[in-house]
Amino acid sequence: QQQVRQSPQSLTVWEGETAILNCSYENSAFDYFPWYQQFPGEGPALLIAIRSVSDKKEDGRFTIFFNKREKKLSLHITDSQPGDSATYFCAASSQGTGSKLSFGKGAKLTVSP
Amino acid sequence: GGIITQTPKFLIGQEGQKLTLKCQQNFNHDTMYWYRQDSGKGLRLIYYSITENDLQKGDLSEGYDASREKKSSFSLTVTSAQKNEMAVFLCASSIHFEQYFGPGTRLTVL
Repeated sequence: QQQVRQSPQSLTVWEGETAILNCSYENSAFDYFPWYQQFPGEGPALLIAIRSVSDKKEDGRFTIFFNKREKKLSLHITDSQPGDSATYFCAASSQGTGSKLSFGKGAKLTVSP
Repeated sequence: GGIITQTPKFLIGQEGQKLTLKCQQNFNHDTMYWYRQDSGKGLRLIYYSITENDLQKGDLSEGYDASREKKSSFSLTVTSAQKNEMAVFLCASSIHFEQYFGPGTRLTVL
């Protein structure tokens, strides 16, 4: 059973537009939600993360919006750049699972110049 | 800062062969992980270890063994490689909830 779901699987935006990647989860106990960015041939790298006590986390052009009631979150990438083209993974964990993460299947973002 | 090193970067094996992948980290993190990444399937946890000599099974442990003899290293063994198998194996280490990944070992089985 997939505990973390991502949509869309792939997204193409023009340079300068805002890309929105969505994530939903099943387990109400999840309280930590990191997003990872992965470039071809590399391992995933932590991009930004949010805890369930917050509804928004911002880091430069990257913002997470979190809706605990609906068990949904989204990653907004404003002023998208070709260098943002990568696969993005949403993940989740809870105090009960220690540091174990459940990952979504990933979303491939392409930013066209 | 620190780094995670995975060896080899590419691994080609034969069906039925026993294959070992190695991972080293110099973050001094207690917990280490092995994930398998298949195209379109995200990351699936194979084994993890919360300290030296500890091993915990993940969701995909069947067909694999792991070993954590030192805090800094974590190895994964594919006990019998499956024909036409292709995947990337990712090693990670963590402090608290933040996981840091290595570059991966790409496995191809002929």
